[in-house]
Amino acid sequence: DSGVTQTPKHLITATGQRVTLRCSPRSGDLSVYWYQQSLDQGLQFLIQYYNGEERAKGNILERFSAQQFPDLHSELNLSSLELGDSALYFCASSVDSSLGEAFFGQGTRLTVV
Amino acid sequence: GENVEQHPSTLSVQEGDSAVIKCTYSDSASNYFPWYKQELGKRPQLIIDIRSNVGEKKDQRIAVTLNKTAKHFSLHITETQPEDSAVYFCAASRIVNDYKLSFGAGTTVTVRA
Repeated sequence: DSGVTQTPKHLITATGQRVTLRCSPRSGDLSVYWYQQSLDQGLQFLIQYYNGEERAKGNILERFSAQQFPDLHSELNLSSLELGDSALYFCASSVDSSLGEAFFGQGTRLTVV
Repeated sequence: GENVEQHPSTLSVQEGDSAVIKCTYSDSASNYFPWYKQELGKRPQLIIDIRSNVGEKKDQRIAVTLNKTAKHFSLHITETQPEDSAVYFCAASRIVNDYKLSFGAGTTVTVRA
């Protein structure tokens, strides 16, 4: 167990809908990262938050947004869902933005039908 | 931004043989290079990492080498065992304010008994 908790584990929804994925980082970790893993694209970095503020942004679609709350948990919001958004979404956390190792949660498997 | 290329995409080795995975990166400012192992249905987990002030690092049967001039780094697994079968991801980042891990596409390693 990495200490990073993601909910829900599985999510099935229809195209056009909106979903929220939740991540609780390890105790004491200030940085949260979101990654998307599709079958054919490996791990794609979406966005990073550090202590409540957006720190780095990757290839995140405009339909997607995220935030980190004062208690350091983070939510990834996916809207106007398309079939191609079906993927495994991982959250990872680290102590701060300068420390290398990131600990991954178990992921949320999103299926858009 | 950083672009990490990883080769090969699949690798099949006989148990007891060595496996080598190579990655190249584009951002000369990158200074942290971790390797993650992802077993089927599980989260990525850090197995070894190297920082730019070190050329080689070893941990039992795994080792990583870094050539900053050529901007490439490699993972070496010796005396492979069936439990080494997994997807391996290399990554690169700058450990500064805009820290984010950029991952390679992954290498599926199969160890034949």
